[in-house]
Amino acid sequence: DVKVTQSSRYLVKRTGEKVFLECVQDMDHENMFWYRQDPGLGLRLIYFSYDVKMKEKGDIPEGYSVSREKKERFSLILESASTNQTSMYLCASSRRGKRIGELFFGEGSRLTVL
Amino acid sequence: RKEVEQDPGPFNVPEGATVAFNCTYSNSASQSFFWYRQDCRKEPKLLMSVYSSGNEDGRFTAQLNRASQYISLLIRDSKLSDSATYLCVVNAEGAGNMLTFGGGTRLMVKP
Repeated sequence: DVKVTQSSRYLVKRTGEKVFLECVQDMDHENMFWYRQDPGLGLRLIYFSYDVKMKEKGDIPEGYSVSREKKERFSLILESASTNQTSMYLCASSRRGKRIGELFFGEGSRLTVL
Repeated sequence: RKEVEQDPGPFNVPEGATVAFNCTYSNSASQSFFWYRQDCRKEPKLLMSVYSSGNEDGRFTAQLNRASQYISLLIRDSKLSDSATYLCVVNAEGAGNMLTFGGGTRLMVKP
């Protein structure tokens, strides 16, 4: 069964802490994504990667960075967490080309910043 | 105006009913279209891609109307298990950062 695995389902962090969210996919997909989902705002793209070491900013990259050193792994980093980064974070992957929109999501990481 | 718009609902329908949702998009360069289903507190899951000629998967039918810039999802013979939020996704230019999600339409199927 194909899978996207996110390292933590629930995290509680304090303001100013550095936060790492890890995502691993086993489908050999070229594309990987980080979204956040908030009530009333829907899914918003933070960063997108189409290859190892490649990244593109999404709609809301401020306060976030990403790392893709291996094809199967895409990490989201909050350098200094703030309360407005409390959210559900969803990682996804997809193939290149026309099927780019056929996303496979992880179960999500619910982050609370106090 | 949002790039991709959906009626948030909720749509409350009885079991066995037929229900349809629309999703309008503003970017005429949009190339590919998808419907996702998201259960409460779960991740979105791909329901179906939408092809130009329309396509069907069991009780679900997806249509694309390029002239009016909308896609639709029709669910026949609704089941209680169809209760979920349905998200449309539109992709312009085939780029990952051009995937745009609608806000979702909530469906509640009642006994």
